[in-house]
Amino acid sequence: ETGVTQSPTHLIKTRGQQVTLRCSSQSGHNTVSWYQQALGQGPQFIFQYYREEENGRGNFPPRFSGLQFPNYSSELNVNALELDDSALYLCASTAGTSINEQFFGPGTRLTVL
Amino acid sequence: AQTVTQSQPEMSVQEAETVTLSCTYDTSESDYYLFWYKQPPSRQMILVIRQEAYKQQNATENRFSVNFQKAAKSFSLKISDSQLGDAAMYFCAYRSARAGNQFYFGTGTSLTVIP
Repeated sequence: ETGVTQSPTHLIKTRGQQVTLRCSSQSGHNTVSWYQQALGQGPQFIFQYYREEENGRGNFPPRFSGLQFPNYSSELNVNALELDDSALYLCASTAGTSINEQFFGPGTRLTVL
Repeated sequence: AQTVTQSQPEMSVQEAETVTLSCTYDTSESDYYLFWYKQPPSRQMILVIRQEAYKQQNATENRFSVNFQKAAKSFSLKISDSQLGDAAMYFCAYRSARAGNQFYFGTGTSLTVIP
C-alpha cells in the first residue's frame, strides 16, 4: 500500500448530479494529481494541485474542478455528470513538482446512470 | 501533445520465463522521463521502473529491465523469471522534464502468467 487513500471506494450517481471525491495524500507530499481511467484505458490527467494552487490541467471541461487543503488533502468535484464520466478516478501524490515518484491511491469507481 | 502507444493489449508468459512488453511514444522534447507502472486487479498502481531520457544506460530493477531506444522512441519492459504475482495490467507512461507533473499513459498491456 502507498499511504494514499481515497473515498469513497464506489459511488453511483445519475446524470446531471454533482459528485465530490476525496484524496488524502501520503505524509509529506504537497502535490496531488487527479486522473480519470475509463474501462480498458490508461489514466488520463485531469489536473494537479501544488500547495493549494492548480498547477496544470489536462483536456477536461470546467465542470471538473478541484481543491487542495492546507493539509494537502484534495477534492475532485464534477458537476452536471454525464454517462461518459463513469470511470475509475485516481489520485496520486508527490513530494514537490520535481520528478519524484508518484504514489497512487486505490481509486474511486464512479458509475453514472 | 505527447502520445504513448502500447500495441499489445494482452500478453501471456509461462511462469519462470521471460516476457517483453512494448511501448512507443511520440514527443518533440529531448528531456523527459519514462515509466512502467503495474496495476494488479483491484489494487493500487505502483511504479515498476523508470528511465531518464538523458541516460544512455538502460534501467534495471531486479527482474525488471528496460530497452530504451531514444532515436526510435521505444521503451520496452522485460520481465525475467516471471512469477504469478507479476500478473497485472502494465502501463507505460511519459513525463516531460519541464515543470509540471503531467503523466501521459498508454492504454496498457494485460499480462497473464501461466503456472
